[in-house]
Amino acid sequence: AQSVTQLDSQVPVFEEAPVELRCNYSSSVSVYLFWYVQYPNQGLQLLLKYLSGSTLVKGINGFEAEFNKSQTSFHLRKPSVHISDTAEYFCAVLNYQGAQKLVFGQGTRLTINP
Amino acid sequence: GAVVSQHPSWVICKSGTSVKIECRSLDFQATTMFWYRQFPKQSLMLMATSNEGSKATYEQGVEKDKFLINHASLTLSTLTVTSAHPEDSSFYICSASSPNTGELFFGEGSRLTVL
Repeated sequence: AQSVTQLDSQVPVFEEAPVELRCNYSSSVSVYLFWYVQYPNQGLQLLLKYLSGSTLVKGINGFEAEFNKSQTSFHLRKPSVHISDTAEYFCAVLNYQGAQKLVFGQGTRLTINP
Repeated sequence: GAVVSQHPSWVICKSGTSVKIECRSLDFQATTMFWYRQFPKQSLMLMATSNEGSKATYEQGVEKDKFLINHASLTLSTLTVTSAHPEDSSFYICSASSPNTGELFFGEGSRLTVL
């Protein structure tokens, strides 16, 4: 079975500062990795995903993430955040070999302060 | 991109009544849809996998008689919370898998409040 751990439940940063949201996963098989963003009272929007190939993945809104197989990590980064980035961020893994079940981390609340 | 729509976006009901939430894939056919539940300030928990034309597959601990799922067509899955109680109050989110890319698209969510 797969599991996902987001190490920080809350991350406060100042506007225009860089940010990193950490995600570690565990799985006995190869997985695909995702980052989603959730704005208040809304569904989830895909930020980026890693399926294969380059370990550095670029997504929407200036976010990027790097897949590190040896450390089983998929940390999300943005060099300069904006007030509008305030939201809940979820890391998720998916095992395509079995049922297509997406397993989510606990979420990280990113708060951007002016 | 592909769009998945949920209705209603929010609903308030009395304890003991049943509530139906619809999940539609608007521009693609989805043989598989997923229903999640999200408690305040918590992550999404998969409740069940909805399969078109067959019975849903429920996750461990989810009462199938309580949360009825019907996937009657390739673009519609419904979740009915039967005899709702205050502890069923939650944010319910569906997702559908695009047959072309396999990518999961999420609905906007439906907030259920049971009084």
